[in-house]
Amino acid sequence: DAGITQSPRHKVTETGTPVTLRCHQTENHRYMYWYRQDPGHGLRLIHYSYGVKDTDKGEVSDGYSVSRSKTEDFLLTLESATSSQTSVYFCAIATSGSAYEQYFGPGTRLTVT
Amino acid sequence: EDQVTQSPEALRLQEGESSSLNCSYTVSGLRGLFWYRQDPGKGPEFLFTLYSAGEEKEKERLKATLTKKESFLHITAPKPEDSATYLCAVRDYSNTGNQFYFGTGTSLTVIP
Repeated sequence: DAGITQSPRHKVTETGTPVTLRCHQTENHRYMYWYRQDPGHGLRLIHYSYGVKDTDKGEVSDGYSVSRSKTEDFLLTLESATSSQTSVYFCAIATSGSAYEQYFGPGTRLTVT
Repeated sequence: EDQVTQSPEALRLQEGESSSLNCSYTVSGLRGLFWYRQDPGKGPEFLFTLYSAGEEKEKERLKATLTKKESFLHITAPKPEDSATYLCAVRDYSNTGNQFYFGTGTSLTVIP
């Protein structure tokens, strides 16, 4: 258990509304990641962070933004939710040094109607 | 362009029947190949990291190996509790960042 929590765990929202998902870690890891997981696509990187206020885009970043104002929190915002953003969202941390092992949170199931 | 390809997509084994899962990759700046196990409704669980061709790691009934183009996850005498989806990922440091690319996984079912 890498001390990663995600909130909310489940959410149903309507098309066009903004949605924010929260990832919280307790072990001060530098790297944090947001992925989405869809059948047939596997895990795809949305955004990641390599420090407070330092973020970069992943392969599926369109329609998403992130913020990291504290080491322990990494927020993912869907600016105007669409049905194509219905998915399971996972947050992860990566250990540093030479390992870069990723440890994942329990996931958030988001449904956009 | 797919960077990580896993095969087979699904595998059914009898308890005790050994087999291997394959992960092939095409990234140019490999900085680690990772295996994860994912149970339904949960986040992936880290299993192994491999860094260089010829490297092997073992954990209980699982052994991961790495060549220059692919990795294998060998499962010896599997038990029903080994049933899960096994994911492979690579860390690519050849671009501007520190990104991980995942395959779509192999769904393993072990029948008692």
